[in-house]
Amino acid sequence: EAGVAQSPRYKIIEKRQSVAFWCNPISGHATLYWYQQILGQGPKLLIQFQNNGVVDDSQLPKDRFSAERLKGVDSTLKIQPAKLEDSAVYLCASSQGLAGKPYEQYFGPGTRLTVT
Amino acid sequence: QQQVKQSPQSLIVQKGGISIINCAYENTAFDYFPWYQQFPGKGPALLIAIRPDVSEKKEGRFTISFNKSAKQFSLHIMDSQPGDSATYFCAASVGGRRALTFGSGTRLQVQP
Repeated sequence: EAGVAQSPRYKIIEKRQSVAFWCNPISGHATLYWYQQILGQGPKLLIQFQNNGVVDDSQLPKDRFSAERLKGVDSTLKIQPAKLEDSAVYLCASSQGLAGKPYEQYFGPGTRLTVT
Repeated sequence: QQQVKQSPQSLIVQKGGISIINCAYENTAFDYFPWYQQFPGKGPALLIAIRPDVSEKKEGRFTISFNKSAKQFSLHIMDSQPGDSATYFCAASVGGRRALTFGSGTRLQVQP
């Protein structure tokens, strides 16, 4: 079974530029999460999707961050404009969310963003 | 109230020793407590998880101990190996489909 795929793996941009990350969850997983992991800290939730609907975006800085999950499969996370403090690893995770093992979240390798 | 506090921040253990990492939480609604292992440049990987209806769960060399009254849980790694050197995160969530609240991580180094 293929894992969670993310791209790009690394991105360097200047502040005030925009950037987009892509995530392809494990096939059949209804729930998709985006987490932000700042160096030396644990991941922090940005947004959670159930199929193509938003379940929780309370910690998403909506003035600059946006995310979508069209057709309930792939998802993109966008930052516009980026700030220096956005430098972090952006992790995508998915879980079955319905039948099977709804609690287990599987993470992708992440996208390391550096804002200069 | 959503915080999960993890300690120690770093840990050095000799090969064959026992590694112990502790976490404490405040939110009594948490009902799922996983531990994740993360190697540099990789995403977190699920190691072992426990529900509050049991006090201990063991999988191979990894054991979770759970104390509901104290609102604490811990990870024990028996016979620690150099390959176990990684950062370990405890986490918690409310309900099966909710997002995880992570601890701050413990960097484990197992010396040969």
